[in-house]
Amino acid sequence: GAVVSQHPSWVICKSGTSVKIECRSLDFQATTMFWYRQFPKQSLMLMATSNEGSKATYEQGVEKDKFLINHASLTLSTLTVTSAHPEDSSFYICSASRASGTYNEQFFGPGTRLTVL
Amino acid sequence: LAKTTQPISMDSYEGQEVNITCSHNNIATNDYITWYQQFPSQGPRFIIQGYKTKVTNEVASLFIPADRKSSTLSLPRVSLSDTAVYYCLVGLNYNQGGKLIFGQGTELSVKP
Repeated sequence: GAVVSQHPSWVICKSGTSVKIECRSLDFQATTMFWYRQFPKQSLMLMATSNEGSKATYEQGVEKDKFLINHASLTLSTLTVTSAHPEDSSFYICSASRASGTYNEQFFGPGTRLTVL
Repeated sequence: LAKTTQPISMDSYEGQEVNITCSHNNIATNDYITWYQQFPSQGPRFIIQGYKTKVTNEVASLFIPADRKSSTLSLPRVSLSDTAVYYCLVGLNYNQGGKLIFGQGTELSVKP
């Protein structure tokens, strides 16, 4: 199957700083990438949909100025958590979509654990 | 996007067959049904995908009735390492851009 990587796998930062998380599709070109966040014992919540070369589409309730998404190439999308606060501490997961016939296959990264002190 | 309903949790013992049923009453004609497995602090891992009838791979089977309003993931002879959360999703429609909405999932606990 296709491989999606995330970097870093975990990060600890001070409140007020910005953190960038990278998502890469290693062996395929992703038509679309998605960003999710997951709190302990909860399901994944879709934050935004990212298409290469265009602005991301954010889900309702997700602050686009808080969570900056850049999708500069078909293999890389970045999520920047700006002015992070403790409530932003979460598990962030990306996925990359590859078109296959009439439907999209979606492959998930291993996740990034963000802890804001 | 179709909403899914699954049991919150299930218990099983090693060696048993486990069947997890998911309801998706408003599934669209072009939607596929996909099941993912997630271990703690890891990204979801694809298990199986289907559109109708039965699909089988090396790890699971997926049964989809003719009306497609539900589906059942079957895990044969589970082991302790199958303890995880299992998510049923519908979507991946090309025209919808592949957007997936995760439901609450089913937390499967396999005991010795």
